[in-house]
Amino acid sequence: DQQVKQNSPSLSVQEGRISILNCDYTNSMFDYFLWYKKYPAEGPTFLISISSIKDKNEDGRFTVFLNKSAKHLSLHIVPSQPGDSAVYFCAASTYNFNKFYFGSGTKLNVKP
Amino acid sequence: DTGVSQNPRHKITKRGQNVTFRCDPISEHNRLYWYRQTLGQGPEFLTYFQNEAQLEKSRLLSDRFSAERPKGSFSTLEIQRTEQGDSAMYLCASSSGLPSGNTIYFGEGSWLTVV
Repeated sequence: DQQVKQNSPSLSVQEGRISILNCDYTNSMFDYFLWYKKYPAEGPTFLISISSIKDKNEDGRFTVFLNKSAKHLSLHIVPSQPGDSAVYFCAASTYNFNKFYFGSGTKLNVKP
Repeated sequence: DTGVSQNPRHKITKRGQNVTFRCDPISEHNRLYWYRQTLGQGPEFLTYFQNEAQLEKSRLLSDRFSAERPKGSFSTLEIQRTEQGDSAMYLCASSSGLPSGNTIYFGEGSWLTVV
């Protein structure tokens, strides 16, 4: 059961522009959401998180937006840099944090 | 380096052999997770420990897979009688479990190739 979905397998953006990565979920009990970045042959690296009591969290160039009614979250990267080129995964957990569910990833390519 | 450490980083084994992976979590992190990832997919949950107790285990995990965390510190994941379908990256992650520490941090992963 795919409870977290990333429907865009890839995204290409020009350097300096905004990158918007999207994620949808089905479980209304999810309480905590995260974004990870992954380079080939490496483990995922944590980027930013948001709890369900918020609708926005910002950290430098990265902002995550949460729309609970639509069961949708997005990651905005502004400005995009070539070093941001990687696969991005969204993840979600319920309040007990016993398990984190991951989407299938979106490959971001930032062109110089 | 105080991150999550996984060994070995790469393992090539013949079908039918047993393999074991080790994970050393971030110091004092009491929550530890194992995931599996194949090409083009997101990490797939395998199992979760809180200290030494295994509290969650995926229904997808066959009886050939077993994980332990005997003293609540490092953990091992053993795969018995490996099959070609077991070829994947095995990821370990940990979190502190404190009220503000629910983010899980991953290690570099252990690549398994079954030939």
